[in-house]
Formats: sequence, structure tokens, C-alpha cells
Amino acid sequence: DAGVTQSPTHLIKTRGQQVTLRCSPKSGHDTVSWYQQALGQGPQFIFQYYEEEERQRGNFPDRFSGHQFPNYSSELNVNALLLGDSALYLCASSLEVRLAGAYNEQFFGPGTRLTVL
Amino acid sequence: AQTVTQSQPEMSVQEAETVTLSCTYDTSESNYYLFWYKQPPSRQMILVIRQEAYKQQNATENRFSVNFQKAAKSFSLKISDSQLGDTAMYFCAFAGNNDMRFGAGTRLTVKP
Repeated sequence: DAGVTQSPTHLIKTRGQQVTLRCSPKSGHDTVSWYQQALGQGPQFIFQYYEEEERQRGNFPDRFSGHQFPNYSSELNVNALLLGDSALYLCASSLEVRLAGAYNEQFFGPGTRLTVL
Repeated sequence: AQTVTQSQPEMSVQEAETVTLSCTYDTSESNYYLFWYKQPPSRQMILVIRQEAYKQQNATENRFSVNFQKAAKSFSLKISDSQLGDTAMYFCAFAGNNDMRFGAGTRLTVKP
């Protein structure tokens, strides 16, 4: 099992550009969450995808959007990049639990380091 | 809104000794989960231990254990017999009905 994989590993963009980050979940997982981790800080929740729909969203502007494909892989898109978007972007996958009140472990990928110049 | 606070930005411990990392949280929810994650310099986040809020018994995973005080909204991590490989950033996290919230992290250094 390859676990959660993300691509690319590193990315350098300039202000105003657009970027797409990719994530493949752990085998058997159907839910993908994205986090932004600024340098020296904890991860901040961006959004979560399940059944190809955005199910939950954190406090991020509409410049941040995503997509989930039928094979459960996911993309994170960021438009009109700002210097403040420079961060490590983490993807985490989990198995959706249909029972109320239960929570399954999230498995994290290695992240994509985005630098905006 | 749920908040997670880790008041120790950095800590160090001698190899083989015990260290405790602190975490407090704020929530109005009654059902939730708490986690400690480890992020080594290689940066991949790894789950260390989890605690369900409805369980009174403190979770234990080998050398790692927690002290969960629900009334005080405190969730500390104790690492016994510290090893050099325990050197990493440690994040406390809360998961309730909505998203998962992380603290700012504690950088732990294990010294030989």
C-alpha cells in the first residue's frame, strides 16, 4: 500500500498565477481533506471532499477550490496566488464512517511545498 | 468555534527520560475526538495517539500515553523512555462535528 501520495513535491509560482495540487488517497479510502500549513504553524483545514462533493469547508476564500474524481483522488486549485499562500499543503485521506459520532483516522501525505514569489 | 492551544513552542528531553507536552482546547460539543500527531523533519504527519471524549480511560500506545481531563479541557501527551527518533513537531488536534483543528505545535528535541 503506497499510502497517501501528493504531487508535485515542490512548486514555485509568481503572484497572480494559478496552481493545481494533486492527491491520491490511501487504498480503500473515499474521503480527502486538504490543509494549509504555514511555516511554524499547525495545519489549517481548507475543505473536505466525499463522493465528489465538497462536504465541509474551513475559513478560506473562494480562490481555493477543489475537485474529487470517481477514483477518489483529488485536486486543490488556488487562483490569483498571493505571497501569503506560500505554505506546505497537506492532503489527508480517511474512510467515511456512516455511523453518527464515529471518526476515522486521517492518513496524511508528505505535502506539496508551494512558494509564491 | 473550537480552538486548540499548545503553550510550549519548544521542549527538550534527555534520551530515556520522560516528557509531557501540554494541550488545551475549547469546545461546546459533547462528542469529539482528540489526537496527537507527530511531524518529523521529513514532514509526513503521523498519528501518535487518539482519545474519544466519551471514554474516561486514558489512551495508551506503547511509550505514549495521554492525560485527558474533560472538565478542564486538557489533553496532555506523555512520552516515556524518550528516543532520538521522537525528535519532531508534535501537534494536538481536535475533531468534532465539523473540521479538524490543530494547535500551533511543540517542537520536541531528544538529546543524547
